[in-house]
Amino acid sequence: GAVVSQHPSWVICKSGTSVKIECRSLDFQATTMFWYRQFPKQSLMLMATSNEGSKATYEQGVEKDKFLINHASLTLSTLTVTSAHPEDSSFYICSAQRPGERYEQYFGPGTRLTVT
Amino acid sequence: EDKVVQSPLSLVVHEGDTVTLNCSYEVTNFRSLLWYKQEKKAPTFLFMLTSSGIEKKSGRLSSILDKKELFSILNITATQTGDSAIYLCAPGSGNTGKLIFGQGTTLQVKP
Repeated sequence: GAVVSQHPSWVICKSGTSVKIECRSLDFQATTMFWYRQFPKQSLMLMATSNEGSKATYEQGVEKDKFLINHASLTLSTLTVTSAHPEDSSFYICSAQRPGERYEQYFGPGTRLTVT
Repeated sequence: EDKVVQSPLSLVVHEGDTVTLNCSYEVTNFRSLLWYKQEKKAPTFLFMLTSSGIEKKSGRLSSILDKKELFSILNITATQTGDSAIYLCAPGSGNTGKLIFGQGTTLQVKP
């Protein structure tokens, strides 16, 4: 199997606070994880690629200081939304790759973030 | 700039119908193309296509890639209400494993 979990599944926070989202590969070690955001009725937009033990690679237009990514182990990557604002409200989904597979990505169930 | 266009954007059919979903792409350093099905939350993997002209099948679903014309199709035969979902096409670019997602086709299958 290739099971990926995310925690929390939904979170509500106030403007100005920070929120951490965890992404875990439960039955495999993931050298690479990806973070996406998805707005209603839109597709997945890649935010960053996270490699274990190294700095994340961010897509153009994604603020590194706002969306902090840490991939401290082969089964855990975290995304911290710092100083959240209402426009950061979105559905955040992570995915992970199994070693030896170049393109298959296995997705977590996503985290719904609402910033009030 | 990389571009992925899926059509139609939405589709409503009745159970038993056959549907064809289209995906055209212009992607730098194309390597492979993946199809995913997204119901309420996480996308689930359907197919990965690397070679042109070779059909992949899984039950009532099948898919094929044309690397010359830069498109792929996903066919679903004898549709069921459980096929209702958003179908996402995602070409892989370069050597990083990065996927570029299309905007998706929303399929609704009515009883």
